[in-house]
Amino acid sequence: EADIYQTPRYLVIGTGKKITLECSQTMGHDKMYWYQQDPGMELHLIHYSYGVNSTEKGDLSSESTVSRIRTEHFPLTLESARPSHTSQYLCASSAPGQGKNEQFFGPGTRLTVL
Amino acid sequence: AQKVTQAQTEISVVEKEDVTLDCVYETRDTTYYLFWYKQPPSGELVFLIRRNSFDEQNEISGRYSWNFQKSTSSFNFTITASQVVDSAVYFCALSEPNTGNQFYFGTGTSLTVIP
Repeated sequence: EADIYQTPRYLVIGTGKKITLECSQTMGHDKMYWYQQDPGMELHLIHYSYGVNSTEKGDLSSESTVSRIRTEHFPLTLESARPSHTSQYLCASSAPGQGKNEQFFGPGTRLTVL
Repeated sequence: AQKVTQAQTEISVVEKEDVTLDCVYETRDTTYYLFWYKQPPSGELVFLIRRNSFDEQNEISGRYSWNFQKSTSSFNFTITASQVVDSAVYFCALSEPNTGNQFYFGTGTSLTVIP
């Protein structure tokens, strides 16, 4: 059973606010990911990390930033939220293994920016 | 170029019917991995199956079965005797070792099972 957690599950916030979406996993996975997804639509990779102090931008340009100070924690920050940031954000992690291992997903954070 | 194509955007079936979800992938690697995920209305992606490129055996798990054919670059998913609880969006994904563990997801197929 995968143990990956995201908080908050739902967030409604005004334009211009700074927000941090939390993601943590208890499986000791080195690799972690953030995806952005509009409801029922395809997933877009926005950030990933292969370990502590490693972060990379994904395929979809994003105004968010991430950090990886601890293996288990991979928070995503928006310095100034805008209505275009309204979406679902999914965090995932996987064990090392040259691409063969499945990614485990958290429950997601549904963000609405007014 | 899209690496994973799920041509069926939406499918509706009546309960107890069988349904097949198509997935076509594109890769130049000889070693790669294919996955299926289910995303129910709650939003969380649930891992269903992984298949590596060297294993073309079809797999059956309860009402679910997967047909992997390298000759046609397809990895199709069949649900037998569908149930209302099968209603979800299903995603196919490809992973290539030389890109670390980045997944290339298809655009998903939304399945509705009508009671």
